[in-house]
Amino acid sequence: SQQGEEDPQALSIQEGENATMNCSYKTSINNLQWYRQNSGRGLVHLILIRSNEREKHSGRLRVTLDTSKKSSSLLITASRAADTASYFCATDGVETSGSRLTFGEGTQLTVNP
Amino acid sequence: DTAVSQTPKYLVTQMGNDKSIKCEQNLGHDTMYWYKQDSKKFLKIMFSYNNKELIINETVPNRFSPKSPDKAHLNLHINSLELGDSAVYFCASSQDWASGQETQYFGPGTRLLVL
Repeated sequence: SQQGEEDPQALSIQEGENATMNCSYKTSINNLQWYRQNSGRGLVHLILIRSNEREKHSGRLRVTLDTSKKSSSLLITASRAADTASYFCATDGVETSGSRLTFGEGTQLTVNP
Repeated sequence: DTAVSQTPKYLVTQMGNDKSIKCEQNLGHDTMYWYKQDSKKFLKIMFSYNNKELIINETVPNRFSPKSPDKAHLNLHINSLELGDSAVYFCASSQDWASGQETQYFGPGTRLLVL
């Protein structure tokens, strides 16, 4: 079954607000990654958090990982209209060989100016 | 100076035709991937090559055949195209498959429409 599930499926906020997206997964992982996809474009890597890490920051992004609950969250602070995109979590499972990423269904974020 | 490039960007074709999609990366990466993204944006891995060797082959119809002439290129050939093959196909690359901790760099996608 699909590894990552994201919540919410869609999120609409005003510019300046914070956006929180959640991801749950089912099996043990080496790391979890978040990607952004602008409409009609490829995916862009945002941040990687390893299984032994609990929180990571990159600019306006904050990612948390709770391996006991098999969940992660992505927080975008002070959102901008340019943050409008789909956001995907992807897990690299310990049971798989190589860097096999399993993607979630994505959250469509709309930031209204 | 595009990192991962794909051609063509759009592909419209009739059922039953054979088509190829090409991918090239200039990042010096060892590993390349093909993903399929369906109309609901669900992204699923199809194949992965490391230094021209197949390392991941998901449950994909054998009408799909990847080919890696060198580690910078990974092409995807599709025989006897079906309506259900309509999707966006993404190529990606990463530095080192064995580490299992490398980020992946995606191409812009090839939008395939089978009529």
